[in-house]
Amino acid sequence: GQNIDQPTEMTATEGAIVQINCTYQTSGFNGLFWYQQHAGEAPTFLSYNVLDGLEEKGRFSSFLSRSKGYSYLLLKELQMKDSASYLCAVTVSNSGYALNFGKGTSLLVTP
Amino acid sequence: SAVISQKPSRDICQRGTSLTIQCQVDSQVTMMFWYRQQPGQSLTLIATANQGSEATYESGFVIDKFPISRPNLTFSTLTVSNMSPEDSSIYLCSVQRAYNNEQFFGPGTRLTVL
Repeated sequence: GQNIDQPTEMTATEGAIVQINCTYQTSGFNGLFWYQQHAGEAPTFLSYNVLDGLEEKGRFSSFLSRSKGYSYLLLKELQMKDSASYLCAVTVSNSGYALNFGKGTSLLVTP
Repeated sequence: SAVISQKPSRDICQRGTSLTIQCQVDSQVTMMFWYRQQPGQSLTLIATANQGSEATYESGFVIDKFPISRPNLTFSTLTVSNMSPEDSSIYLCSVQRAYNNEQFFGPGTRLTVL
C-alpha cells in the first residue's frame, strides 16, 4: 500500500504565501497530484508532477522530489476563497492511474 | 476538462435497500474510477471501472456489495447493495482521458442511509 502524509490543518493570512507539504512511501510511483476541495463540492484538479522539479501555474506551484518521496504545494497571494482542503494523491504503476489520497490539509485563510 | 454528471445528486435510503448511481461523461475517456468520501474524511478508491470487463476492486471492497458496470467509454454505474448506515457517504466518479494524466471528478452523490 501507500503511506501518504500531509498536515491536518494550516492557517495563513490573506496575501501571504503558504506551503503545504506531502510525503509518501510507495513502490511503483507513477505521479503525484494536488486537488483542491471546497466544503460540499467535488475535488478540482490543481497540478500533476511526475518528474522532479517545480511546476508553476499562476498563483499555484507544485514541487516534487522522487528520491525523497516529497512534494509541496505553494500558494501565493492568498485569497479568502483559497480556504479549502488540499488533497495530495499518488498513482502507482500497478493500479493504472487510480488515485491514492492522503487525508488532506484543511487551509484557513484569515483576513 | 471533461463534463461529468452524476445521478442522483443525493438520496436518502432505507437500510437493506440498494441504490444505483450513474456517471455520464460528455466525451470518451479511457479510465473511469469510483471513490467514496465518508464524512470528514479524504477520498478512498472503491474500484476501477473497466469497459467490457469486470471492475478491479481495491482491498476492502467487493463486487457483491458494490457491483459496477461500464458498458461504453462514456458511462458507468455503481450500485451500493444491501445498504447500512455505514454506507452513508459521498460517492464520486472520476475520469481520465487517454492522452494525459489529469483526472476530473464528477459532482458526487450524497447518500444517507437510515
